[in-house]
Amino acid sequence: QQQVKQSPQSLIVQKGGISIINCAYENTAFDYFPWYQQFPGKGPALLIAIRPDVSEKKEGRFTISFNKSAKQFSLHIMDSQPGDSATYFCAASIREKLTFGTGTRLTIIP
Amino acid sequence: GAGVSQTPSNKVTEKGKYVELRCDPISGHTALYWYRQSLGQGPEFLIYFQGTGAADDSGLPNDRFFAVRPEGSVSTLKIQRTERGDSAVYLCASSLSGQYNSPLHFGNGTRLTVT
Repeated sequence: QQQVKQSPQSLIVQKGGISIINCAYENTAFDYFPWYQQFPGKGPALLIAIRPDVSEKKEGRFTISFNKSAKQFSLHIMDSQPGDSATYFCAASIREKLTFGTGTRLTIIP
Repeated sequence: GAGVSQTPSNKVTEKGKYVELRCDPISGHTALYWYRQSLGQGPEFLIYFQGTGAADDSGLPNDRFFAVRPEGSVSTLKIQRTERGDSAVYLCASSLSGQYNSPLHFGNGTRLTVT
């Protein structure tokens, strides 16, 4: 059972544009929603995270929007740069156990 | 400081063989996790240690998989009678406390190929 659904599978954005990745979850017991960035051959690295009692969190060019009633959350990358090209995973946790989405391969083109 | 270290970085083994994968967490991190990442997928939870004990091993797929952390630091993931379906990248992560908002720091993984 896929508890966290992520879309799109791949995304191409022009440099300077906004990249948007969406996730939906089913289990209302999830209590923490992080996003991870992964480069080829590397492990995932925490990018930004949010709790369900907050509707938005911003850190630099990265923003999470959270809609508890719809059970959806999204990552927005403003002013996207070529260095942002990577695979992004949303995740949701119950206590210490993270459930990851299937990933979005983001490519930023000049 | 040093991050999470995993060895070997690559392991090729024949079907039916036994393998051990090692993880050195960040010094001082009490929580340690193993995840498995198949090609084109997100990491999948296997097991979580808090100190020396396995606090949650609900993600281990079957009894061929076993993990230990005898002194509360280094951990070894052991796979018996390997199958081709075990081929994946095995990721280890550690965190300071194991609390839900304590960031996980992942290693670069061990790529296991079963031929």
